[in-house]
Amino acid sequence: GDSVTQMEGPVTLSEEAFLTINCTYTATGYPSLFWYVQYPGEGLQLLLKATKADDKGSNKGFEATYRKETTSFHLEKGSVQVSDSAVYFCALSDQTGIQGAQKLVFGQGTRLTINP
Amino acid sequence: ETGVTQTPRHLVMGMTNKKSLKCEQHLGHNAMYWYKQSAKKPLELMFVYNFKEQTENNSVPSRFSPECPNSSHLFLHLHTLQPEDSALYLCASSQEFRRGQQGYTFGSGTRLTVV
Repeated sequence: GDSVTQMEGPVTLSEEAFLTINCTYTATGYPSLFWYVQYPGEGLQLLLKATKADDKGSNKGFEATYRKETTSFHLEKGSVQVSDSAVYFCALSDQTGIQGAQKLVFGQGTRLTINP
Repeated sequence: ETGVTQTPRHLVMGMTNKKSLKCEQHLGHNAMYWYKQSAKKPLELMFVYNFKEQTENNSVPSRFSPECPNSSHLFLHLHTLQPEDSALYLCASSQEFRRGQQGYTFGSGTRLTVV
């Protein structure tokens, strides 16, 4: 079945550092890809998405490009802030359930801590 | 405000208690989901409802009983839980698949502690 693999955490960076969180996937068909963020004590929030190859999703300074050739959707930010400390989840939409509800497959999450 | 509201935010219950978690969305979505999030474990999909009909039950123990009276409301009834059921329970909603893959909207979760 479809699956998502994220880089192992936790990741600790200093403020203003460059961030990359790797995400690769295996899927049949052409899934949409997502990054979600979870701040302490909260649910998951959609951060960005891309629906087809070569699309770039962006939001709040974060970016990720849908790379079909490498089956990747790495999350990047040029200069992180303390407020970016959270858990980040990569996900894809499972194409097997053409009828009915969407079904997202999530990675295991990567905890990011930014130190001042 | 995420558009998906979960109540209560925190719940402490004994193993012999019966309680219910509530989820409500007014986003016009037709699919709703329950997830369990435990420390150091991946997100676990528990139940999926589409147009009020349950379409998925991922081998969840019968002490968890979902109810979906309409497309806007979802409940999770709890009874005779175990301490290992302590977790963050997340509700989510989405459009059905054929209307596009916009992802889910999550609620803030209910932090459940079983004592």
